[in-house]
Amino acid sequence: KAGVTQTPRYLIKTRGQQVTLSCSPISGHRSVSWYQQTPGQGLQFLFEYFSETQRNKGNFPGRFSGRQFSNSRSEMNVSTLELGDSALYLCASSHDGEGPQHFGDGTRLSIL
Amino acid sequence: AQSVTQPDIHITVSEGASLELRCNYSYGATPYLFWYVQSPGQGLQLLLKYFSGDTLVQGIKGFEAEFKRSQSSFNLRKPSVHWSDAAEYFCAVGVKDSSYKLIFGSGTRLLVRP
Repeated sequence: KAGVTQTPRYLIKTRGQQVTLSCSPISGHRSVSWYQQTPGQGLQFLFEYFSETQRNKGNFPGRFSGRQFSNSRSEMNVSTLELGDSALYLCASSHDGEGPQHFGDGTRLSIL
Repeated sequence: AQSVTQPDIHITVSEGASLELRCNYSYGATPYLFWYVQSPGQGLQLLLKYFSGDTLVQGIKGFEAEFKRSQSSFNLRKPSVHWSDAAEYFCAVGVKDSSYKLIFGSGTRLLVRP
């Protein structure tokens, strides 16, 4: 069974640009969550999607958004990038959101 | 507020020695508890989980953890550490508000001496 797949693995952007990250969950999983990992703030919850609906959102500005498609794949978008957005962005999937979450290898975003 | 505390930032053990990583949580309801491991450049791998029932849970790679409600703890243990166990370990609590999310501790980096 394939795991959670995140693309791309690495991205370099400059301030003010926008970026889109992609996540394909484990087959049959309908819940996708996104987390940001930085050395200073650690792992922080961004948002969770289930059946194409955002069910929960963490404490991040509106520049961070996401969506989920009918096949459960999810994208995360960050607009007007800031230096502080440099981080590892992790996607996790689970059957219904309450079970154990399985993580992808992440997208490393660097802002110059 | 919900939180997870991992008091040890770094731990160094010799290969073959036993290991215990500490985790304390703060959550008003019955917690779902997890331990994840992260190797450099990788995502998080689930080691074990506690939802209910037996308070001693077994995981992958020879790890186990014990849930102690009275101490709000969920410590991770391994009887004999291997060099390949060197990584960062994260304890997490599952929190339910509008849906379900993980609150992570700050992590413990494990170094293994040959």
